[in-house]
Amino acid sequence: ETGVTQSPTHLIKTRGQQVTLRCSSQSGHNTVSWYQQALGQGPQFIFQYYREEENGRGNFPPRFSGLQFPNYSSELNVNALELDDSALYLCASSKTYQETQYFGPGTRLLVL
Amino acid sequence: AQSVTQLGSHVSVSEGALVLLRCNYSSSVPPYLFWYVQYPNQGLQLLLKYTSAATLVKGINGFEAEFKKSETSFHLTKPSAHMSDAAEYFCAVSVSNAGGTSYGKLTFGQGTILTVHP
Repeated sequence: ETGVTQSPTHLIKTRGQQVTLRCSSQSGHNTVSWYQQALGQGPQFIFQYYREEENGRGNFPPRFSGLQFPNYSSELNVNALELDDSALYLCASSKTYQETQYFGPGTRLLVL
Repeated sequence: AQSVTQLGSHVSVSEGALVLLRCNYSSSVPPYLFWYVQYPNQGLQLLLKYTSAATLVKGINGFEAEFKKSETSFHLTKPSAHMSDAAEYFCAVSVSNAGGTSYGKLTFGQGTILTVHP
């Protein structure tokens, strides 16, 4: 059984640019949650997608947006990148939004 | 709103010694509680979870945690530390609704870095 995968593993962008991060959920899982982990901090909830609909959002501005596809993979888009967006972005999938979340390896984003 | 406090950002133990990582939570409704471990440059791996069944929860790699409602705590322990346990550990809470099912959003603590000395 394939676990949660994320791409790319690393990314360098400049301030003001846009970025798309991708996540493939574990087989049989219909929910994807995204978290931002700044250096030295615990992960912060960005939003969750359940059966292609947003199912909750954390305290992040609208320039953070997402999408979930019919195969339950997901994208996280960030527009107008800021230096503070530099972080490890973690994706987690679960069987439903009520079930345990299993995390991918993350995408490390550096904004210069 | 729920929150998690991990006491001690760094814990250092000798190999073979007891590991105790502290976690206190705040939640107005029955919580679901989790411990995750993060090795350098990796994602989070689930160690164990509490979902209102037994208060003593056993996880992988010899770890266990006890849910104490009166103390609002969910401390993680391991009787004998191994060098391979060196990592960062995160406690997380997910609140439940009246039906007892989780809302899914995880709120994490700041993490505790565990160092194991030979």
